[in-house]
Amino acid sequence: DAGITQSPRHKVTETGTPVTLRCHQTENHRYMYWYRQDPGHGLRLIHYSYGVKDTDKGEVSDGYSVSRSKTEDFLLTLESATSSQTSVYFCAISEEGRGYNEQFFGPGTRLTVL
Amino acid sequence: AQKITQTQPGMFVQEKEAVTLDCTYDTSDQSYGLFWYKQPSSGEMIFLIYQGSYDEQNATEGRYSLNFQKARKSANLVISASQLGDSAMYFCAMKGSSNTGKLIFGQGTTLQVKP
Repeated sequence: DAGITQSPRHKVTETGTPVTLRCHQTENHRYMYWYRQDPGHGLRLIHYSYGVKDTDKGEVSDGYSVSRSKTEDFLLTLESATSSQTSVYFCAISEEGRGYNEQFFGPGTRLTVL
Repeated sequence: AQKITQTQPGMFVQEKEAVTLDCTYDTSDQSYGLFWYKQPSSGEMIFLIYQGSYDEQNATEGRYSLNFQKARKSANLVISASQLGDSAMYFCAMKGSSNTGKLIFGQGTTLQVKP
């Protein structure tokens, strides 16, 4: 199994509070991704990173920011959590972006915003 | 824009029978890849099979095969000899020709295998 961990695994927070989710990998993969999973939508990309300090937006990036100061860590921050950000968040890694490169997924973080 | 469509929200299959999960896609890229992932009730995402747009043969991995019809833009997953452990949500996903590796996912199909 690819070495990907996410923390915390579960979190309940209140509207308006900042929240940071962490993704940690031990595979030294260049690419890292944050997705959210909601019923009826599958997984949707929030942000991704193609190297240290190199990040870009995905299709549902509003209200989220990311940072990657080390190869192994990719942080997702909800600046001011809203109920619409209640979701399951998955981190994924990939060795390269081009061609056939399987994305390996972390175990997910279930976030509830009250 | 790229899009993946899975039109079957839920499917039932009898144990030991084969089942086909539908996936259609839309892209203007000439080079792309199609993936299938399984998500059991425990929540993890498990990679099943991959098909490249230039692959001449349909991909197979054990009991999983991908029925790739490029002209129809479909990439259906076929599971042979269904097992109770196959009960899960199944996602079709596509990666385009950019070097970002981003995946576009379909809405998913829930498969239940009946004993």
